[in-house]
Amino acid sequence: AQSVTQLGSHVSVSEGALVLLRCNYSSSVPPYLFWYVQYPNQGLQLLLKYTTGATLVKGINGFEAEFKKSETSFHLTKPSAHMSDAAEYFCATRDGSNYKLTFGKGTLLTVNP
Amino acid sequence: DTAVSQTPKYLVTQMGNDKSIKCEQNLGHDTMYWYKQDSKKFLKIMFSYNNKELIINETVPNRFSPKSPDKAHLNLHINSLELGDSAVYFCASSQGARIGYNEQFFGPGTRLTVL
Repeated sequence: AQSVTQLGSHVSVSEGALVLLRCNYSSSVPPYLFWYVQYPNQGLQLLLKYTTGATLVKGINGFEAEFKKSETSFHLTKPSAHMSDAAEYFCATRDGSNYKLTFGKGTLLTVNP
Repeated sequence: DTAVSQTPKYLVTQMGNDKSIKCEQNLGHDTMYWYKQDSKKFLKIMFSYNNKELIINETVPNRFSPKSPDKAHLNLHINSLELGDSAVYFCASSQGARIGYNEQFFGPGTRLTVL
């Protein structure tokens, strides 16, 4: 079965600091990987995705993620955190049938002034 | 001009009651979903409809019944509500059912509290 594991349920950074949110996956099929963001009291919004092709994927709001097959990882980064980045972040992967998303447990990012 | 809308936003009810949550999308998508997010923020798919046909039905109690009157609407009816049903329920839609090809757009969620 396909799954994702997000390391760290809570990450706290200072404004302007590097953001690094970790996601490792397990998949018996070529993985499709996604990062979603959930702002307080809102639904999820797609930040970026990897399906095939270039392993460094750029998304919205200055975020990017790199697919590393050898490390089974898809970590999310942003060079400089803004206060507006404070939210819950979810890593997700497709299941084997390709009709379902399986989500990680989420990482809460707080940004300190 | 909300893309995916849900009503109500908050729902507080007693155990044993029956309630419905409505979802509408104006994106012209042919696939709609219901997700449940529990108190620990864990998000799990419940149902998916493609062109009004049920294509995903997870191990959800049969007290939960989705209904899709047309491609733009997917409602969720819950019978005999239990305490464990308390959660945030998200509706989503996409153009096409295959993951990775088309982005899923999420509604704002309905927070259900069962007392």
